[in-house]
Amino acid sequence: DGGITQSPKYLFRKEGQNVTLSCEQNLNHDAMYWYRQDPGQGLRLIYYSQIVNDFQKGDIAEGYSVSREKKESFPLTVTSAQKNPTAFYLCASSITSGRDEQFFGPGTRLTVL
Amino acid sequence: AQKVTQAQTEISVVEKEDVTLDCVYETRDTTYYLFWYKQPPSGELVFLIRRNSFDEQNEISGRYSWNFQKSTSSFNFTITASQVVDSAVYFCALSGLGTGANNLFFGTGTRLTVIP
Repeated sequence: DGGITQSPKYLFRKEGQNVTLSCEQNLNHDAMYWYRQDPGQGLRLIYYSQIVNDFQKGDIAEGYSVSREKKESFPLTVTSAQKNPTAFYLCASSITSGRDEQFFGPGTRLTVL
Repeated sequence: AQKVTQAQTEISVVEKEDVTLDCVYETRDTTYYLFWYKQPPSGELVFLIRRNSFDEQNEISGRYSWNFQKSTSSFNFTITASQVVDSAVYFCALSGLGTGANNLFFGTGTRLTVIP
């Protein structure tokens, strides 16, 4: 089955710790995205990547980092510099760019204790 | 600047009623794309439709229909004969070809509850 997988589904971390969220796709898409969703709000773009070894900041990149070493994988690290990391994180991919339909993963709910 | 406004935060309807979800957008781009996504309780967003700015034809897909009007910068979504399975949060989104071409700008969503 083609699609996007994110792991884990629920993640708890202590304040001051870095944590990495996984995102893998087997759709052969060039572009991948990370979004953050807070209660009652829409999705906000954290980072996106159009090709391997290249990525760009979105609207709320501070406190986050990414890598794109493989086409299939786009992990997101939430660093201790992110002041309010508790949120629902969604990964997505599209064939090329933002004008294409984006396919979303099931999401990771991160809670900072 | 790109902006999407979904003024309806929550809507409740009784099963089999029709319901329209409003979406108003702002953009300076002449070429842009509009989307609707559904987010069921499981959390994963499901793509419903994409429309480019040059295609103002309305679209119907089963019980779903979309009304795109550039004159009022609106892209409204109607569900006919609603069902309990339609209960979800619905997001309207916009992507332009100018600055931020790879950004998908989302509205804040409308939570639809269909009561059996």
